Amino acid sequence: DSGVTQTPKHLITATGQRVTLRCSPRSGDLSVYWYQQSLDQGLQFLIQYYNGEERAKGNILERFSAQQFPDLHSELNLSSLELGDSALYFCASSERPMTGRYSYGYTFGSGTRLTVV
Amino acid sequence: AQSVAQPEDQVNVAEGNPLTVKCTYSVSGNPYLFWYVQYPNRGLQFLLKYITGDNLVKGSYGFEAEFNKSQTSFHLKKPSALVSDSALYFCAVRDSGNQAGTALIFGKGTTLSVSS
Repeated sequence: DSGVTQTPKHLITATGQRVTLRCSPRSGDLSVYWYQQSLDQGLQFLIQYYNGEERAKGNILERFSAQQFPDLHSELNLSSLELGDSALYFCASSERPMTGRYSYGYTFGSGTRLTVV
Repeated sequence: AQSVAQPEDQVNVAEGNPLTVKCTYSVSGNPYLFWYVQYPNRGLQFLLKYITGDNLVKGSYGFEAEFNKSQTSFHLKKPSALVSDSALYFCAVRDSGNQAGTALIFGKGTTLSVSS
């Protein structure tokens, strides 16, 4: 157990629907990162939050949004789902924004496998 | 912009032989470099990192990586491969000078297959 908890582990939904993926970071970690892993695109960075605030955006679609709550858990909302959104969605956490010498890398959750049918 | 290239989709090696998984990177400043491993249906696990200092970095499970600034490479190595090393390996980079965001950028991954 890495300490990063993602729920649900599996999700099957229909096109056009909306889903919410949840992530609880490792205890003490303030940063949360969301990644999408698909066979053709590899591991794509979506968005980062630090202590409740958005810090950086990557290749996140406008149909997707995220937030980090005061208890530091994060949710990734995916709406108007398309077949191409089927992927593994990973959450990772780290202690701080990894500035300077504190760049210790991330701890990953085990992911949520989303299947859009 | 930061980027990582893993030129080999798959590396095949016999058990007991040395292995190398290649990675090259591009950043505007000094790089922070990482290797992660992913086993089937699992999240990514940290193997090792280069932040500064000695160019040869030792990590988990007997893996090591050599930072080569002139070649902008950070190849993963192991002197003697095990069948249990078979997995998907990811190289990742972050530009140390990028204060706006700290996300790691990952390569597409290399599947390592070790045969007995």
